[in-house]
Parts: sequence; structure tokens; C-alpha cells
Amino acid sequence: SAVISQKPSRDICQRGTSLTIQCQVDSQVTMMFWYRQQPGQSLTLIATANQGSEATYESGFVIDKFPISRPNLTFSTLTVSNMSPEDSSIYLCSVEGFLATSKETQYFGPGTRLLVL
Amino acid sequence: AQKVTQAQTEISVVEKEDVTLDCVYETRDTTYYLFWYKQPPSGELVFLIRRNSFDEQNEISGRYSWNFQKSTSSFNFTITASQVVDSAVYFCALSEAYGQNFVFGPGTRLSVLP
Repeated sequence: SAVISQKPSRDICQRGTSLTIQCQVDSQVTMMFWYRQQPGQSLTLIATANQGSEATYESGFVIDKFPISRPNLTFSTLTVSNMSPEDSSIYLCSVEGFLATSKETQYFGPGTRLLVL
Repeated sequence: AQKVTQAQTEISVVEKEDVTLDCVYETRDTTYYLFWYKQPPSGELVFLIRRNSFDEQNEISGRYSWNFQKSTSSFNFTITASQVVDSAVYFCALSEAYGQNFVFGPGTRLSVLP
């Protein structure tokens, strides 16, 4: 299995500010994903971040609001910009496509719990 | 537009019973992927399976099995001889191209009672 860490694990932020969430995996992976899960709700994919290319955003999500970086094969960041209370959610990083193995399993990080006041 | 329906909001079974979680999907694409995920009370998501639209073979993994039927647009998940540790919310999901246009179902909360 993979070890995925996310920082911060939780945060409380003021409206209008921005927060950058980091995702670190212990193996090189081709694909990294960012999801959002609002309390008691299902999940929504925000974007797919592949190293060496621009992130691909799902409908309803834009780069200005959720800029993503993928500087190498083990790390990605998601920024939630100009936050509003509606951005309060759990943000999850996920990875797949391990270069060291041919396993096709997808792994999830522990999540970042964000509350916007 | 794509859609995933999990009509069973909550299911309760007694340990050792078999249980099937239903998933019905809608898509106009001929190429798509179907997924199941588990989210136990701890909150951490666990990937269970991915199936592409060209592979209709049923899958069995231990006590878990999946029945993919394109004719009924269903991808149902069965747990045989359920255990308390199977208690979780299970999500079915659909994507048109891998990693894109991803849609999750609302989830089914399974409670396995001792």
C-alpha cells in the first residue's frame, strides 16, 4: 500500500483568504486527484493533476478558484482561493499509477478538514 | 449527462448475512469506467474496484463480488457472509474517460450488526 499525507489535517480560515493543501505520497505516481466531500455528502472530483501538464478540472471547478500544482511525481498542492463558507468541506488527495509497480489500485489521503468562517 | 443512482440509502443486516448494494448508472458514452469505494466510520476512503465498460465479466475478491450488467446499466456489489467490519458507506461512481467527468452516487450506508 501507499503512504499518503496531507497538510494541514484541518484548518479554520476567514472568508476571503486562501489555503494551500499539500499532498505527499511515498512513491512516484503518474496520477493525482483532488476531491471534495462536504459533511454527510458524497464526493466530488475537483481535478486531475498529472506531472508535466496542466491540471484537468471537472465541470463547475475553475483554475482561478482551485489552482493546482504538480511539481514532481510524489507531490501536489491544491489552493482554495478567496474562500467562502460554502468551501467548508473535506478535501481529499488520491493517487494512482505507481511507477514502481503495475498495481492499479487507487489510494486516498486522510483528508484536510476545512472550515471557513 | 451522467448520473449514478444508489437507491438504498441505508441497509442493516445481521452478521453472516449476504447483502447486495445496488448501483444504476446513466451515460451516453460507449467507453466509461465504474468504481466502488468504501468509507468506514474512520472516514478514510478505500478503493474497491474499477471496471471498464468493455469488461462485463463479474469479479470476485474474497467475500466481495461485483455484477456488471450493461443491459440494465447496473454494477451491483455483493458482500457474502457480512462482518461487522463491513459497516461503512459505500459509493458507486462513474467516469466517462478515466479521471474525467467523474460522478459519485449518493452512497449506501451499510450497518452490519453482531
